[in-house]
Amino acid sequence: GAVVSQHPSWVICKSGTSVKIECRSLDFQATTMFWYRQFPKQSLMLMATSNEGSKATYEQGVEKDKFLINHASLTLSTLTVTSAHPEDSSFYICSARDRFRDREDTQYFGPGTRLTVL
Amino acid sequence: AQSVTQPDIHITVSEGASLELRCNYSYGATPYLFWYVQSPGQGLQLLLKYFSGDTLVQGIKGFEAEFKRSQSSFNLRKPSVHWSDAAEYFCAVGPLSGGYNKLIFGAGTRLAVHP
Repeated sequence: GAVVSQHPSWVICKSGTSVKIECRSLDFQATTMFWYRQFPKQSLMLMATSNEGSKATYEQGVEKDKFLINHASLTLSTLTVTSAHPEDSSFYICSARDRFRDREDTQYFGPGTRLTVL
Repeated sequence: AQSVTQPDIHITVSEGASLELRCNYSYGATPYLFWYVQSPGQGLQLLLKYFSGDTLVQGIKGFEAEFKRSQSSFNLRKPSVHWSDAAEYFCAVGPLSGGYNKLIFGAGTRLAVHP
C-alpha cells in the first residue's frame, strides 16, 4: 500500500515552454502533497506543500508564478514549470501524506521526474 | 532552529560487514524520525520510522535504528550489508501532527559496497 506515481518519469523541453508533472496517490487519499526539488548529489529541497482544495504554500525563495501547483483531487497534484529555462533542469519528486492513515505524518514518495530544459 | 545532521557524506563498506549511518537532530521536542533510501534516479523509499514507544525500531530490508533522546540521535544499522544496499540514505525529522507539517532532511549519506 501507499504507492505514489509520477508522470512523466523524464521530460526534455525547449527553453520557454511549460511542463506539467503529475503526482498521483494510487491506493490512498492524499490530504497533503509535497513537491521537492533535488540537485545532483544533494538532499531534497521542499518547494511547496499543497492541501486538497486549497492553495499551495510555497517555501521561501520559490517563485509561485513559475512553479504552479494544483491539488484538485485527493489523488492528484500537478506541478507546472512555466517558461522553463535551463536552470530549472532538476529532479522533481513529489510525496503524499494521509493524515488519517498515519498519525506520525509519514510521507510516501513518488519515483521522481527528471526535467531537462535545453 | 530545526536541523538534521548526517556527519558522513560517503561511506564504503565490504559486503557482509556491519553498517551504521549516523543521524543527529536538533529539535525542540521529540520529533517523528525517519530513514529513507534512494537508489540512483529513483524516489525515496521509507526504511523505518520512529513515532513513540520502543526506541529500537525495525525496518525493511534488515535495517534497524535506535532513538537515543540523550544524544539526539537516530542511527541506522544493519548487521550484514548486501551489494544491493548501495544507495543514498536520508535521515529526516517531522513535527507533531496538526497544522503545517513538513519533513526536514539531512544532507544524505552515500553508501558504497565493495564485493
